[in-house]
Amino acid sequence: EVQLVETGGGLVQPGKSLKLTCATSGFTFSNAWMHWVRQSPEKQLEWVAQIKAKSNNYATYYAESVKGRFTISRDDSKSSVYLQMNSLKEEDTAIYYCTRFNYYFDYWGQGVMVTVSS
Amino acid sequence: DIQMTQSPSFLSASVGDRVTINCKASQNINKYLNWYQQKLGEAPKRLIYNTNNLQTGIPSRFSGSGSGTDYTLTISSLQPEDFATYFCLQHNSLYTFGAGTKLELK
Repeated sequence: EVQLVETGGGLVQPGKSLKLTCATSGFTFSNAWMHWVRQSPEKQLEWVAQIKAKSNNYATYYAESVKGRFTISRDDSKSSVYLQMNSLKEEDTAIYYCTRFNYYFDYWGQGVMVTVSS
Repeated sequence: DIQMTQSPSFLSASVGDRVTINCKASQNINKYLNWYQQKLGEAPKRLIYNTNNLQTGIPSRFSGSGSGTDYTLTISSLQPEDFATYFCLQHNSLYTFGAGTKLELK
């Protein structure tokens, strides 16, 4: 059974940092292109970041809204993907989902809430 | 960046109705258009990929069509479990979601 479990969310002040972790199982993680997608309180979905597989040199891509502040990384030995979020803004408040892309976002985690507020 | 304009934002319909949801891209996305269904408190669920390919296990009342910049999701005969929010996603150039269509029971 495929599982993706996000952890690390919470309440954080503007300007601070937070690191999300997505632990996966049930598929060959090392070959997977992994992503973070977020959903705002207004229910708008936004793609955040992508990291490709080792065969693609672990290439990374980011939405303009987070470029320079967020960093996606992975540890194939732990079948995990991470999102380091720095200089957080109130507009980063959202549910953050970890998801795999294979012609589409096929498997998703349950999501983790990040609230940026003073 | 490619922008996706999804319409309508809200749709009120009855069981048995045929409904269509549209997504318009700001440029040609070469049929790299997916559709998702989301219910309250759940992650999005994949329905259709690359315009018209039905995901395994999705009922045949769901179908997709389109090309270039214009794409459509059709539900031929609404069932009670279909009342949810639907999103399109382009993956021709990075990834952009539409704003969603909330399908409600009339």
